Amino acid sequence: AQSVTQPDIHITVSEGASLELRCNYSYGATPYLFWYVQSPGQGLQLLLKYFSGDTLVQGIKGFEAEFKRSQSSFNLRKPSVHWSDAAEYFCAVGAPRNYGQNFVFGPGTRLSVLP
Amino acid sequence: DSGVTQTPKHLITATGQRVTLRCSPRSGDLSVYWYQQSLDQGLQFLIQYYNGEERAKGNILERFSAQQFPDLHSELNLSSLELGDSALYFCASSPSWISGNTIYFGEGSWLTVV
Repeated sequence: AQSVTQPDIHITVSEGASLELRCNYSYGATPYLFWYVQSPGQGLQLLLKYFSGDTLVQGIKGFEAEFKRSQSSFNLRKPSVHWSDAAEYFCAVGAPRNYGQNFVFGPGTRLSVLP
Repeated sequence: DSGVTQTPKHLITATGQRVTLRCSPRSGDLSVYWYQQSLDQGLQFLIQYYNGEERAKGNILERFSAQQFPDLHSELNLSSLELGDSALYFCASSPSWISGNTIYFGEGSWLTVV
């Protein structure tokens, strides 16, 4: 079964600074990888996803993520953080052709943004 | 707006009671997922239905049950409620059961058990 770890529970950055949120997965083959964001009191919104092809994926709101097979990682990045980016970020992995549980979410990383 | 609709948005009930949470998936989506989000457990997968049939089961308690109806809406039934059941319950949907389809989340139903 697949699993996901997000090593950082809480990250604080200053507005305008760059951001990198870490995600590591465990799966025997190439998984489908996702990043979701959850603003306070809201549902989860898809930021981006990786299925195959180019390992650098562009998403909404200026986010990007890079799939590194050798490191089993799918880190999320943004060059300049805005105050509105403060939220909880979840990495998720889906197992291709899995008849069982499709998605496994990481524990989440809470992002705080200083003015 | 993801297109997934959940009702009610907020619910307060007493221990021992039973509640039903309702979900309407995105138009055309056949697969529905239920997740529970609490502070101590994070985002936990409960159960998945595809076109009316149970497809996968996660950490769902025996006191909880779900079903998906012919019109594809789904209900999550929570009974003999305990204080620890207080959480945000999400419904999500996707076109099929196949991994790789993005799942889209509703805004959740806040359940408070007092």
